[in-house]
Amino acid sequence: EIVMTQSPATLSVPPGERATLSCRASESVSSNIAWYQQKPGQGPRLLIYGESTRATGVPARFSVSGSGTEFSLIISSLQSEDSAVYYCQQYNDWPGSFGQGTKVEIK
Amino acid sequence: EVELVNSGGGVVRPGGSLRLSCVVSGFNFEDFAMTWVRQVPGKGLEWVSTINWRGSHTDYADSVKGRFTISRDNAKDSLYLQMNSLRVEDTAFYYCARGIAPAGTNPFDYWGQGTLVTVSS
Repeated sequence: EIVMTQSPATLSVPPGERATLSCRASESVSSNIAWYQQKPGQGPRLLIYGESTRATGVPARFSVSGSGTEFSLIISSLQSEDSAVYYCQQYNDWPGSFGQGTKVEIK
Repeated sequence: EVELVNSGGGVVRPGGSLRLSCVVSGFNFEDFAMTWVRQVPGKGLEWVSTINWRGSHTDYADSVKGRFTISRDNAKDSLYLQMNSLRVEDTAFYYCARGIAPAGTNPFDYWGQGTLVTVSS
């Protein structure tokens, strides 16, 4: 099974600043990675997948970079509503494993 | 509007059984693979099981293989998870999720609200 490792566990960023979340795969997953946002009491919400396909309604401040084993989710200008836990997921191979999550806090 | 509604969770003793349901609306159910994902409260996400668009192919996580059975009824726009021989470590929120394609390993673009399964003596 491919292991996905996210860092940092918690990220505290002032509003309006850039937030960069990292995700590393134990082996290459090409560009077959998805990012999800989860707020307390809610199910996850798909943000971006593949090379840079945003899900419906996702603001342009969310972007991704990387391929192979190293990936980043970038929030260009952090808003208060971005406070959440973010998960990466590889879907290159079964089972589509998730990272353990990064909690983003507004400083 | 796409909607996935989970139900069927509850408290059960170790060794017991539960059947989860997910009723969908707002899209053509038979065009998409469906998956169950679980989450221990306060912890991360775990892929449990996937079924392809017509129910002819299923996959299971090793942790549930032989105990859980995923199925679907396209005529009723419904997805199911039959959980037998439940263990304490199966305690989690269970979400149904829609894959972005009819089959294969894919991202999930819509999720249910989750239903809590608690396995406790």
